[in-house]
Amino acid sequence: DAKTTQPNSMESNEEEPVHLPCNHSTISGTDYIHWYRQLPSQGPEYVIHGLTSNVNNRMASLAIAEDRKSSTLILHRATLRDAAVYYCIPSYGKLTFGQGTILTVHP
Amino acid sequence: EAGVAQSPRYKIIEKRQSVAFWCNPISGHATLYWYQQILGQGPKLLIQFQNNGVVDDSQLPKDRFSAERLKGVDSTLKIQPAKLEDSAVYLCASSLEAGPYEQYFGPGTRLTVT
Repeated sequence: DAKTTQPNSMESNEEEPVHLPCNHSTISGTDYIHWYRQLPSQGPEYVIHGLTSNVNNRMASLAIAEDRKSSTLILHRATLRDAAVYYCIPSYGKLTFGQGTILTVHP
Repeated sequence: EAGVAQSPRYKIIEKRQSVAFWCNPISGHATLYWYQQILGQGPKLLIQFQNNGVVDDSQLPKDRFSAERLKGVDSTLKIQPAKLEDSAVYLCASSLEAGPYEQYFGPGTRLTVT
């Protein structure tokens, strides 16, 4: 499994953009970059995933570095409901969750 | 579309007792996963099924944990006998197929072993 490094915690204000970084320097060529989040007392929830190109969906955008050794999850306008633990997981399919980044959103 | 269903939501047992958890995945999903999430940690994969066959059970403590997925739909995870360190949330997830597909998680079963 590729080793990942994420900040332990980040803070944001409501309605501001949030950029969550992830380093995965040992990612293999076939690994996708998956992002999941887990709200308090809930199971993890899929956010987005990509292989090489940047990806957008209704929840977020994923920016992938050209060498694929890092990526950034972008929440365009944070809401209070986005407060969660965000996990970055480089993998073909099997999800190995690390500690993730705890995102706090202030009103 | 109905999500992944799990029951019970909460269970309290004494050590050395047995317990079973049930999971009903999203209809049509071939791949089913069981995860264990200890407080303060990320989920850890215990076992992965593809239809009714086991794909990966490398992190399943097989001396006390067992799982089955009869007919490739519902699944049960059993612990016998339970230990204090088994206290955790047990999450079931399903995906259309194995590989880089979105995994849908259930609400989990919170197990407390006293």
